[in-house]
Amino acid sequence: AQSVTQLGSHVSVSEGALVLLRCNYSSSVPPYLFWYVQYPNQGLQLLLKYTSAATLVKGINGFEAEFKKSETSFHLTKPSAHMSDAAEYFCAVEGSASKIIFGSGTRLSIRP
Amino acid sequence: DGGITQSPKYLFRKEGQNVTLSCEQNLNHDAMYWYRQDPGQGLRLIYYSQIVNDFQKGDIAEGYSVSREKKESFPLTVTSAQKNPTAFYLCASSHLGQGNTEAFFGQGTRLTVV
Repeated sequence: AQSVTQLGSHVSVSEGALVLLRCNYSSSVPPYLFWYVQYPNQGLQLLLKYTSAATLVKGINGFEAEFKKSETSFHLTKPSAHMSDAAEYFCAVEGSASKIIFGSGTRLSIRP
Repeated sequence: DGGITQSPKYLFRKEGQNVTLSCEQNLNHDAMYWYRQDPGQGLRLIYYSQIVNDFQKGDIAEGYSVSREKKESFPLTVTSAQKNPTAFYLCASSHLGQGNTEAFFGQGTRLTVV
């Protein structure tokens, strides 16, 4: 069965610093992977998705993620954090019967 | 504008009452989902539907019921059997097919038991 694990429930970085949010997946078949962002009291918005076309995926708001099969990872990065990046981020994988399985989320805080 | 609409945004329920949360989409998506979100627990799947008049239980279906009489609509009823219903509820929809399941989410309904 497919699953994702997000390492770190809370990450805090300084404004302008590198953002790195970690996600590892488990899948017996080539996975389809997603990163979503959620701002307080709102729904989730897709940041980017991996569907095997390219291992480095660029998304909205300057985020990108790299699919590494050897490490079963799909970490999310952004070179320079902005205050507006403060939110909760979810990694997800497409499961059986097209269900979407979410990780437990990582809350990103940005220090001025 | 295409999208997915949840209503109401806030809902208060008395002990022993059933309440229904609305979810409508005009994206022509086949699949619709209901998730429950509690602090620190991510999103847990309650029910999902891939076709009209058919739906499947997710991981935490007890105390909830759904219907899918129209492609556009997937209402969720929180019954009195749900012992701890206070949570943030999210509805989503997507196409079906491998790699095609990018989910679109509504803005959520925050349910509080009073």
